[in-house]
Amino acid sequence: ETGVTQTPRHLVMGMTNKKSLKCEQHLGHNAMYWYKQSAKKPLELMFVYSLEERVENNSVPSRFSPECPNSSHLFLHLHTLQPEDSALYLCASSQVARDGQPQHFGDGTRLSIL
Amino acid sequence: GQNIDQPTEMTATEGAIVQINCTYQTSGFNGLFWYQQHAGEAPTFLSYNVLDGLEEKGRFSSFLSRSKGYSYLLLKELQMKDSASYLCAVHNDYKLSFGAGTTVTVRA
Repeated sequence: ETGVTQTPRHLVMGMTNKKSLKCEQHLGHNAMYWYKQSAKKPLELMFVYSLEERVENNSVPSRFSPECPNSSHLFLHLHTLQPEDSALYLCASSQVARDGQPQHFGDGTRLSIL
Repeated sequence: GQNIDQPTEMTATEGAIVQINCTYQTSGFNGLFWYQQHAGEAPTFLSYNVLDGLEEKGRFSSFLSRSKGYSYLLLKELQMKDSASYLCAVHNDYKLSFGAGTTVTVRA
């Protein structure tokens, strides 16, 4: 298996639930990213990990909690989300975060908050 | 702050040429990416410009003018499969800042 894999593809949850999104990359990259994509809005960078260390937290609410246990895996833990958090969450990876290496994206998790 | 503008929608005929413009005003700049995103799919990398000028890759070309804060993506010999959203993104340090995307519809 190659590329960037995200699970689940779809998730419906209530505002009081706790769930996690998973991302796995098989490209040998050392930087990983979480983005939020809402309808008609630009992709918003949420978190950046480089060599398993968080290097960017783009003013994201604490109800989103990332975890990067190794360079191949990235999680986004969700807790007490709001309806406006419904969106497509995309994971990406690249060779090095700082250089102009293209980011490779997964297909995303479509999240709906009831 | 970051301000990246591109048109919302464009329509063109199969076999024609379409040019998607992107203007940017950002606090830092290392280079500019173009991505293609089909509905329900992941964005895929098309091009990366660092220096001024035109870079050609088959039917797709990308141009950059750093002094003008301007880029365009040129799609030639349009095919139906080129119907997609095209995303302009400014690279600065660790970050990519995206425009809202241009939806291109190719008609027969």
